[in-house]
Amino acid sequence: GAGVSQTPSNKVTEKGKYVELRCDPISGHTALYWYRQSLGQGPEFLIYFQGTGAADDSGLPNDRFFAVRPEGSVSTLKIQRTERGDSAVYLCASSLEVGERADLNEQFFGPGTRLTVL
Amino acid sequence: AQSVSQHNHHVILSEAASLELGCNYSYGGTVNLFWYVQYPGQHLQLLLKYFSGDPLVKGIKGFEAEFIKSKFSFNLRKPSVQWSDTAEYFCAVNVLYGNNRLAFGKGNQVVVIP
Repeated sequence: GAGVSQTPSNKVTEKGKYVELRCDPISGHTALYWYRQSLGQGPEFLIYFQGTGAADDSGLPNDRFFAVRPEGSVSTLKIQRTERGDSAVYLCASSLEVGERADLNEQFFGPGTRLTVL
Repeated sequence: AQSVSQHNHHVILSEAASLELGCNYSYGGTVNLFWYVQYPGQHLQLLLKYFSGDPLVKGIKGFEAEFIKSKFSFNLRKPSVQWSDTAEYFCAVNVLYGNNRLAFGKGNQVVVIP
């Protein structure tokens, strides 16, 4: 079956602009995660959705970052007034569920969106 | 908050050499442990995982990892590397019964010379 997909694969924007990054999780996966990977670093957690609601948004760096998942499937990460420091690869992952069954919590990652803010 | 440490960020090996990558985590509760691999131009893929049971875990492509609870470690090993093992390797941890967020180490960039 299809894996996690993300669009666009690359996004170049100018400082101060608004961007939207899209994630299509694996069909049937209830949990969706966004991570950010800066150059030379491992991925860092941003936000996690269980269904339509953001269950944990403690990783969002500031209020310029916002994410939605209105129908419990596709998610959009929105960044307002972009800054050069926002340049990174934004990764999306999904898992079947989150709960006591660790094997059902396994996260599958998409290819990422490389964001460059000039 | 959990933290994950990976040392020796850049590793250069010849083919057939043995590889060991260290991973230490800070959380003291029950954890799930993972190694992910990112080949050049590709996305993150799961190499192996530990949830419970036998602390010696075997993954794909001849990799294995050993969970040593007393040392808070989950080191990755491969007895004989190939050129195709050139990749970046990430150790990750999440907390059982938590919100499933993964905490990643900084990664090890491994280059295997033919």
